[in-house]
Amino acid sequence: ETGVTQSPTHLIKTRGQQVTLRCSSQSGHNTVSWYQQALGQGPQFIFQYYREEENGRGNFPPRFSGLQFPNYSSELNVNALELDDSALYLCASSLATGIYNEQFFGPGTRLTVL
Amino acid sequence: DQQVKQNSPSLSVQEGRISILNCDYTNSMFDYFLWYKKYPAEGPTFLISISSIKDKNEDGRFTVFLNKSAKHLSLHIVPSQPGDSAVYFCAASESGGGADGLTFGKGTHLIIQP
Repeated sequence: ETGVTQSPTHLIKTRGQQVTLRCSSQSGHNTVSWYQQALGQGPQFIFQYYREEENGRGNFPPRFSGLQFPNYSSELNVNALELDDSALYLCASSLATGIYNEQFFGPGTRLTVL
Repeated sequence: DQQVKQNSPSLSVQEGRISILNCDYTNSMFDYFLWYKKYPAEGPTFLISISSIKDKNEDGRFTVFLNKSAKHLSLHIVPSQPGDSAVYFCAASESGGGADGLTFGKGTHLIIQP
């Protein structure tokens, strides 16, 4: 069973640029969630994708957008990067079935905005 | 406003003793609670969860207690081992981990001393 993978591991961008982060979900999982973890903070929910559609969203502006593909992998896109976007971006996969579903996290992508 | 609070940034415990990590929440709609463990340069790893219909859940050395009236949960680790040294995050959800994502605390850094 393959776990959640993310690419790239590290990324450096400058303010105003755009970035795309990628995530492959754990085998058999059909739901993907994205989180932002700033230094010294817990992860913050960005949004969730199920069946290739956004299923829920946290308190993040529209310049944070995403995609889910038929194989359940996902992308997080951030436009017009700001210095405060520097963080660890975590992807988590889960099964949509059942009442209570644990989310399984990837190792994250460390984004630095200069 | 933080809905999930972990008021101890760090905790030091001797090997073999009990580690108790605490978490408070303010949102009475939360009905599902999880603990994650995070090592540096890795994503959070799921440890144990509890739904609001229970007040205790046990898995090996790990036990989670939920006190709904006090809006408080705790994670007990007995006995503590060196490999338990990590950052522990408490997380909560209104919909069983579904479309509203997980709300995390800031984490407690547990240090197990030999």
